[in-house]
Amino acid sequence: KQEVTQIPAALSVPEGENLVLNCSFTDSAIYNLQWFRQDPGKGLTSLLLIQSSQREQTSGRLNASLDKSSGRSTLYIAASQPGDSATYLCAVRRDSWGKLQFGAGTQVVVTP
Amino acid sequence: GAGVSQSPSNKVTEKGKDVELRCDPISGHTALYWYRQSLGQGLEFLIYFQGNSAPDKSGLPSDRFSAERTGGSVSTLTIQRTQQEDSAVYLCASSLGTEPFFQYFGAGTRLSVL
Repeated sequence: KQEVTQIPAALSVPEGENLVLNCSFTDSAIYNLQWFRQDPGKGLTSLLLIQSSQREQTSGRLNASLDKSSGRSTLYIAASQPGDSATYLCAVRRDSWGKLQFGAGTQVVVTP
Repeated sequence: GAGVSQSPSNKVTEKGKDVELRCDPISGHTALYWYRQSLGQGLEFLIYFQGNSAPDKSGLPSDRFSAERTGGSVSTLTIQRTQQEDSAVYLCASSLGTEPFFQYFGAGTRLSVL
């Protein structure tokens, strides 16, 4: 049974520091992995999608890596800003329909 | 529309009542998903639609939960005889239904069962 784990559950950093968020999954048979951002009272915003054949994806200050064989993904956010404060969720796509299985999330607070 | 729309945004109901939650996907998106986000269980898959068919209902927690989709567009999630454990945020997502099945999420419906 696939399990998706995110560590740490919560993280607080001063503005300007780099953020490192971890996601692990137990079954390497995935189609892709996505990182989402969730703001209070709002839906999910997709940040990055990494196909199972890829090692990393970059978008602006965000970089996500994927090591499928070890069941790990890491999201790096460079030079954090207070606007980066949110909950970050990783999700693995498990089947041909696109069904996603989510981790519990990491709640991030960036202090000015 | 510009994005996935869900209504109502908040719903408070009494235990034992039936509720209907609505999702309007992005126009042209053939795939539609329902997920549930609760404090104890995180974000869980409920059901997937391709067009009006639901090839995967494996996440529906009990037979009190049902969903339908009409015209390949709007979907309704119905919960009968609501229980307190049904309290959660119900999220809908839609996708073009082609690789890589990128999903766009609505803001969710927060259901509170008293």
